[in-house]
Amino acid sequence: EPEVTQTPSHQVTQMGQEVILRCVPISNHLYFYWYRQILGQKVEFLVSFYNNEISEKSEIFDDQFSVERPDGSNFTLKIRSTKLEDSAMYFCASRVYEQFFGPGTRLTVL
Amino acid sequence: EDKVVQSPLSLVVHEGDTVTLNCSYEVTNFRSLLWYKQEKKAPTFLFMLTSSGIEKKSGRLSSILDKKELFSILNITATQTGDSAVYLCAVEADNTNAGKSTFGDGTTLTVKP
Repeated sequence: EPEVTQTPSHQVTQMGQEVILRCVPISNHLYFYWYRQILGQKVEFLVSFYNNEISEKSEIFDDQFSVERPDGSNFTLKIRSTKLEDSAMYFCASRVYEQFFGPGTRLTVL
Repeated sequence: EDKVVQSPLSLVVHEGDTVTLNCSYEVTNFRSLLWYKQEKKAPTFLFMLTSSGIEKKSGRLSSILDKKELFSILNITATQTGDSAVYLCAVEADNTNAGKSTFGDGTTLTVKP
């Protein structure tokens, strides 16, 4: 069964460093999403992406964040200068009809 | 601002019990309501509801949407310990093609043997 994959599963970084989280959506899906979930809190929408451009973004998705679909398969989330409060689980999702979530990348900012 | 409220926040039942989880919402440009199950990792899709009054069913789980009263319920009959999880409700808004989802806080269900 096709699935969304994410790498790495866990990333530890120093405050102020740039991180790139990678996702490979399901191949025939057209819509892509990034969410985050701070430990013990709700899932929060970050951004949606369609046709090689951002469709919607939340207030969380400020200038420190960017997304790219550099080739036909990967979908990346970049955080330019990480802060302590960026520590969270980051989920990628893709869809045609219902959304399928990837397993997540746990980002720890020290 | 879009809002999704789930109740109860937590629930403890015994195997065999039936549970009803609630989700109410306020959202502009409603497109769909989704239920997910989250067990310590990524949410897994359960149901997508777009029309009022049409029950969706999968095994012991079922769900229905009321677009007039702006809520949905998720029922689980004959609960098993494997049903223990956080159940998430999310509402999709249709502002653009890809849309935007707002999640509730989740209901933590614990099923005791």
